[in-house]
Amino acid sequence: QVQLQESGPGLVKPSQTLSLTCTVSGGSISSGAYYWSWIRQHPGKGLEWIGYIYNTGSTYYNPSLKSRVTISRDTSENQFSLRLSSVTAADTAVYYCARIPAAGRDYWGQGTLVTVSS
Amino acid sequence: QSVLTQPPSASGTPGQRVTISCSGSSSNIGSNYVYWYQQLPGTAPKLLIYNNNQRPSGVPERFSGSKSGTSASLAISGLRSEDEADYFCAAWDDSLSGRVFGGGTELTVL
Repeated sequence: QVQLQESGPGLVKPSQTLSLTCTVSGGSISSGAYYWSWIRQHPGKGLEWIGYIYNTGSTYYNPSLKSRVTISRDTSENQFSLRLSSVTAADTAVYYCARIPAAGRDYWGQGTLVTVSS
Repeated sequence: QSVLTQPPSASGTPGQRVTISCSGSSSNIGSNYVYWYQQLPGTAPKLLIYNNNQRPSGVPERFSGSKSGTSASLAISGLRSEDEADYFCAAWDDSLSGRVFGGGTELTVL
């Protein structure tokens, strides 16, 4: 059973960079046709896909966030990470990491709340 | 503004059958699998349906999914009070090259 766990600071100051890591167990991030993704949910709102890193290491980002997002991975630790620069209060959200397949069931982490405030 | 369109609310009485719709386009629902999630307050979304109509182990048979063209539906039969939650649909979008979601439907059990 694949499990994902987000970790990182719960509070980030405006204009700084948000950094989160997703630790994966029960499966390698370097194999399989999976999009290792970051998704966020603003308080009381719907879900927004941020981007993904594929098993090959290629990345793709939501155009609305592309200029500020970087997703990378550490295959030795079986982790992938999110960096979102120049954050504002509008980036306050619960951030989820997930393994999204082209077909078949997906797996999500439990989510971590990140608040942007001075 | 969500890419997939869901009604903001739905309701039913215990034992009733309720359906929640999800409308998209040819680049998402029309050409890819649909997923449905249940979200209780303060918790992560829980996968209910994948590949249009498949249930993960542990999800009751009361939950079923269907898809036709660029629309999909989630049906909940034998409605229970514990079904009161937000429900989201999702699909891959070929134009975006990413996951798109519905805005969510808040289900109330009267």
